[in-house]
Amino acid sequence: GQQLNQSPQSMFIQEGEDVSMNCTSSSIFNTWLWYKQDPGEGPVLLIALYKAGELTSNGRLTAQFGITRKDSFLNISASIPSDVGIYFCAGRSTTSGTYKYIFGTGTRLKVLA
Amino acid sequence: DVKVTQSSRYLVKRTGEKVFLECVQDMDHENMFWYRQDPGLGLRLIYFSYDVKMKEKGDIPEGYSVSREKKERFSLILESASTNQTSMYLCASSTSGFLSPYGYTFGSGTRLTVV
Repeated sequence: GQQLNQSPQSMFIQEGEDVSMNCTSSSIFNTWLWYKQDPGEGPVLLIALYKAGELTSNGRLTAQFGITRKDSFLNISASIPSDVGIYFCAGRSTTSGTYKYIFGTGTRLKVLA
Repeated sequence: DVKVTQSSRYLVKRTGEKVFLECVQDMDHENMFWYRQDPGLGLRLIYFSYDVKMKEKGDIPEGYSVSREKKERFSLILESASTNQTSMYLCASSTSGFLSPYGYTFGSGTRLTVV
């Protein structure tokens, strides 16, 4: 089945650093979502994007819907130890059905205090 | 607080056993999904259901079946568990349509070990 290309796969950063990750698709999407999964838990929705070029923030997190509609970006500013986890992107288009999202492979983030 | 509840956080089963993973949601969602999560492979869709008694195969249905007799409950069945089915299993639910843009609500997961 189709999956989104998400990069990087993993990253170690120092506390206080900014983090960037991205997700690309071969298809055009009309919704992009970003989830975070804490260790041992299920993914939780962080940010939802519905329009090309849209920039949305949630605290220290900022996500953008790429203008080509084939990519999305997530930035975390001034990382803290509780940012550790796996970040997933998810996208949806008319060709994937009105309810089914396609997920990225995840970016595993580790923050060194 | 709305939620998706998976009946077990951890399970250990023997090879060849029939295994039932249960998922219940209290949001009156039409759609429910079962994923497995393995390191480096992300979330892979096993089965999904868009209505009671309806089911569709996802990307990796082999070795699994599902049951949805009531709207709020979606069960994943491993007919004869094998060691390669050791994984984290995630249940999710959602409403239908583009007017419901909030993606899926996930359960906390069941970590299954088959020995």
